[in-house]
Amino acid sequence: NAGVTQTPKFQVLKTGQSMTLQCAQDMNHNSMYWYRQDPGMGLRLIYYSASEGTTDKGEVPNGYNVSRLNKREFSLRLESAAPSQTSVYFCASSGEPGQGAHEQYFGPGTRLTVT
Amino acid sequence: SQQGEEDPQALSIQEGENATMNCSYKTSINNLQWYRQNSGRGLVHLILIRSNEREKHSGRLRVTLDTSKKSSSLLITASRAADTASYFCATRSIGGNKLVFGAGTILRVKS
Repeated sequence: NAGVTQTPKFQVLKTGQSMTLQCAQDMNHNSMYWYRQDPGMGLRLIYYSASEGTTDKGEVPNGYNVSRLNKREFSLRLESAAPSQTSVYFCASSGEPGQGAHEQYFGPGTRLTVT
Repeated sequence: SQQGEEDPQALSIQEGENATMNCSYKTSINNLQWYRQNSGRGLVHLILIRSNEREKHSGRLRVTLDTSKKSSSLLITASRAADTASYFCATRSIGGNKLVFGAGTILRVKS
């Protein structure tokens, strides 16, 4: 049982390049989330998916797109990377559909630098 | 915008001492959760307290919640060097379906 996995662990992009961050969970959770973490800012929600086939914007969605490929996988895409998107990205999942009542399980993170 | 704000921003104590961190929030909540993050790792859930609860214990952790003051505290007793980490509170608002995290408290336990 691997929990929540993310790939890649590290990535350096040039401004304007695109990339997709992958996330998968093996806990049969309905809800999945993408956060970014910047120094002194805590975690900010980018997008979330309450169940397979649904996605909703979080606090900071601009510049990102997501795909809930199936129940296990939730990807985050940067279409045209900007230096302001330099951050650590975390994927998380939880068991209750669309609710935050129960605990969230986090992946190890992707450290992204945009030059 | 952040819902929870932790205080202090950083805390340094000796092994064996107790550590107390506080969290204040702005809107009515369904529950409040505390998470720990070790350096370079993902967050790990520690404890959840519901809005109708006032105190909860889990091992060396004690969480209190005062909904009238919109605040919570996390107490770690008999701290260990392994408790060195960042601690975040997160709130779920009534009627909301997302967690909102605070900026965190950095705890350093010196051995």
